[in-house]
Amino acid sequence: GESVGLHLPTLSVQEGDNSIINCAYSNSASDYFIWYKQESGKGPQFIIDIRSNMDKRQGQRVTVLLNKTVKHLSLQIAATQPGDSAVYFCAENNMGGGSNYKLTFGKGTLLTVNP
Amino acid sequence: DTEVTQTPKHLVMGMTNKKSLKCEQHMGHRAMYWYKQKAKKPPELMFVYSYEKLSINESVPSRFSPECPNSSLLNLHLHALQPEDSALYLCASSQGGRAGEKLFFGSGTQLSVL
Repeated sequence: GESVGLHLPTLSVQEGDNSIINCAYSNSASDYFIWYKQESGKGPQFIIDIRSNMDKRQGQRVTVLLNKTVKHLSLQIAATQPGDSAVYFCAENNMGGGSNYKLTFGKGTLLTVNP
Repeated sequence: DTEVTQTPKHLVMGMTNKKSLKCEQHMGHRAMYWYKQKAKKPPELMFVYSYEKLSINESVPSRFSPECPNSSLLNLHLHALQPEDSALYLCASSQGGRAGEKLFFGSGTQLSVL
C-alpha cells in the first residue's frame, strides 16, 4: 500500500486566508520530502523541500513543517491567492531498487481559493 | 533552462498501434523518470534511468518499453496497449538519481487508448 497519505482530500479557503495542507507518511527511513503543486493540464511543479534533519523550512509565502515523531508533514501557504488553486502533493524520497532513490507521492489535496 | 519537454502533448491510439512518447531535458541531469498518472490520483513511478542505465522498473508490463538514447533524451515505446492504460504520462529528471534530489517534471502526454 501507499506509505504517504493526506488527512484532507479537499480544502476550500477565502482569498487572503492562510492555508494548511497536511500529509502523513509511514516510512521512517524517508529522509527527504517535497511539496509539489499541480495545476490542471500541467505537470507537478516544485514548491519547497525539507530534509529529515530539519523541522521547518520557509520559502516565499510557504512554510513546510516536519514532525518526525508522528511522521507528519504540513505545507502552510500565507495570504492564499486564487493562483494557488491546484492539487498539492507531498512526496517522500526513499531507497528504491539497488542504490537508487525514488520519489513516492501521497494522495493529494485539492485547494480551492474563493475570491 | 529548467524545462523538461514532452511530446506529443496528446495522443490517441488503438490497441494494435505502436507509438512512442518522447522527453528531453538540457539541464545536464543524469537521472530521468517515467511516471503514470490517472485522473484525480497521484503520479506513480514506472521507470528510472540513471546515467543512461535502467535502474528501477516498477513491475511495468512489457507493452511499455523505455529507452534512454543519451543523457538528454528518454523515450517510452508503446505497443498493444489496453484502454486502462489511458492516463497522463509524466517525464521527470534530476541530477543523478541520488538521495535528496528535486525532480523536475514535464507537462506530460495525455494518452487515450481506444
